[in-house]
Order: sequence, then C-alpha cells, then structure tokens
Amino acid sequence: QVQLVQSAAEVKNPGASVKLSCETSGYTFTGYYIHWVRQAPGKSLEWMGWINAGQGNTHYSQTFQDRVTMTRDTSANTAYMELSSLRSEDTAVYFCARDNVKVGAAFDFWGPGTLVTVSS
Amino acid sequence: QSVLTQPPSASGTPGQRVTISCSEGSSNFGSNYVNWFQQVPGTAPKLLIYRDNLRPSGVPDRFSGSKSGTSASLAISGLRSEDEADYFCAAWNDKLSGWMFGGGTKLTV
Repeated sequence: QVQLVQSAAEVKNPGASVKLSCETSGYTFTGYYIHWVRQAPGKSLEWMGWINAGQGNTHYSQTFQDRVTMTRDTSANTAYMELSSLRSEDTAVYFCARDNVKVGAAFDFWGPGTLVTVSS
Repeated sequence: QSVLTQPPSASGTPGQRVTISCSEGSSNFGSNYVNWFQQVPGTAPKLLIYRDNLRPSGVPDRFSGSKSGTSASLAISGLRSEDEADYFCAAWNDKLSGWMFGGGTKLTV
C-alpha cells in the first residue's frame, strides 16, 4: 500500500533553515510527483511546490521560490524540502503529498505531516 | 490568502444532503480541474474528489462533485456523524502558476 512517512517535529530559531524528509513506499517513486503543502495553526492549506521524482525538476510557488529547495533521493525513495530564513510565520505543519499525474489525481496520498515551530 | 472562496461553515443532520461551494473570481475554473479534500482536525487531508467529479477508490458514492462556470460544489448525501470535518477545494491557477486552496468549510453534523 502507498505510504508517505515524514520526519519528526522540528524547533528552529528565526533565520535558521529546516530540511524535512518524506520517505515513500508501496509504489514506483520515480513515476510520480511529490508536492509540499503547509498548514499554519487554524489556517487553510498552502501549496509550496512540487518535484518530479523521476526527472528531479521542480516548480515552486511564487510565495516561496526564494526560500525553498526541493530535492529527492531515488535510491531511498525519499523527497526533501528545505526552507530557509525561517520566521515565526513559518510555524506550521508541513505535508508531503503524491501527485498521480497519470490519472490527473493530484494529492492522492498524503504524509502525516511534520510540525515545524519557529521561535526564539 | 485564498483565491478560492468557501463558506466558513455548514451543517446538517444525519441522513440529510449538504452542499459546499467553492467559487473563483475568474475564468480559471473553466480550464482547470477542481479537487476536494476532507480533513479531520489533527490528521492529514484526504482526497475525496479529483478532476471535478471523480472519486478515488474507497471514497463512498455519497460524495459527489460538480462544476459550472466559476463555481464548484461538493455534495454529501446520507450525512453521517463521521463526515464532521473540514473540507477544502483546490485548483491549479494559471495566472499564479500554482495550486490554490480554498479557505475551508467546517461541517458540523
């Protein structure tokens, strides 16, 4: 069965960077895209970007394009998202989600999320 | 900031049918599909509807989606207590070149 397992919660100081992981199983990693979506406490969902796990090309939201880097390790079936210059407003749960581009079902499976807290 | 507008809340009694709307101020919906998600607080969202009206395997047919012009709707029939959750719409936005999510609708059963 398809599973996305995310890294543990992080606490960071303002100005620092955080790198999150999303380890996948149960499907061919390189045949799909991975999105990153975040949700601040009590707020809606906010799309950050995607990575083509096969080719490695990326597309970032204009909101984050100066601060985000998405990468992947095909040998580990794992996607990564690094966000730099953290500020308090970046405190949120960060989700990874698969995009089944073959059938047009974006965000068909989700990881449980990683809580990132930015505080001095 | 959401460019997709949803009502903040909706409610119904068990067995009823409820609809949740998602509207967008431009013609973007005409050329892009809408997805719907269910999120129980404290858990990850779950895909309910993709490509406007298709259900992933395992999603009951009580859930249906539709779209017309600049508005999309999620309908839930035969309402159950376990349907109490937050519901979000999402669509690709050509102008912003990114995925947009609605502000979410809290459904109370």
